[in-house]
Amino acid sequence: EVQLVESGGGLVKPGGSLRLSCAVSGFTFSDAWMTWVRQAPGKGLEWVGRIKSKVHGGTADYAAPVQGRFTISRDDSKSTVYLHMISLEAEDTAIYYCTANAGFYCIYWGQGALVTVSS
Amino acid sequence: QSVLTQPPSVSGAPRQRVTISCTGSSSNIGAGFDVHWYRQFPGTAPKLLIYENNNRPSGVPDRFSGSKSGTSASLAITGLQAEDEADYYCQSYDNSLSAPYVFGTGTKVTVL
Repeated sequence: EVQLVESGGGLVKPGGSLRLSCAVSGFTFSDAWMTWVRQAPGKGLEWVGRIKSKVHGGTADYAAPVQGRFTISRDDSKSTVYLHMISLEAEDTAIYYCTANAGFYCIYWGQGALVTVSS
Repeated sequence: QSVLTQPPSVSGAPRQRVTISCTGSSSNIGAGFDVHWYRQFPGTAPKLLIYENNNRPSGVPDRFSGSKSGTSASLAITGLQAEDEADYYCQSYDNSLSAPYVFGTGTKVTVL
């Protein structure tokens, strides 16, 4: 059974930082491109960023609103992908979903981690 | 920000057929990139419903079908059931932005 389990969400003050983790099981993590998608309260889905598999370079791409503030990394030995967020703003308040890619779509989704940025 | 436009809501009676449109541009759907659809029930994570325009993952009933033409795509639900009430999102790839994965604005399906 495929499982993606996010952790690390919570309440953080504006300007603060947070790291989300996503532990994966049920498929070969090292082969997978992983994507983070977020959803602000009552809003639609927004692509945050993606990290390629190591064999494809292991590089990450980011959406313009988070470029320079968010960093995606992966630890294939732990089958875990991370989203490190700094300089958080109120607009970053959202549920953050970890997803596994197949081609250019998100085939598997985690349950989400809520990040609230508020003073 | 969403670059794929969907109607905010569609509704239909049980057993009817409803369609959800997804309108893009020449840098995404019109460039030939595939369209994928996700369904999201309240308080839960989205789940893949249709991939690569018209393919259903295992377990998705054939009441759901997708199509694509030009710069638009559509999701059709036939034999509408109460359990189909959910939010539906389209998604494609875009070659003009720093965000290669683009989502639709989302459509709430209501069963009357």
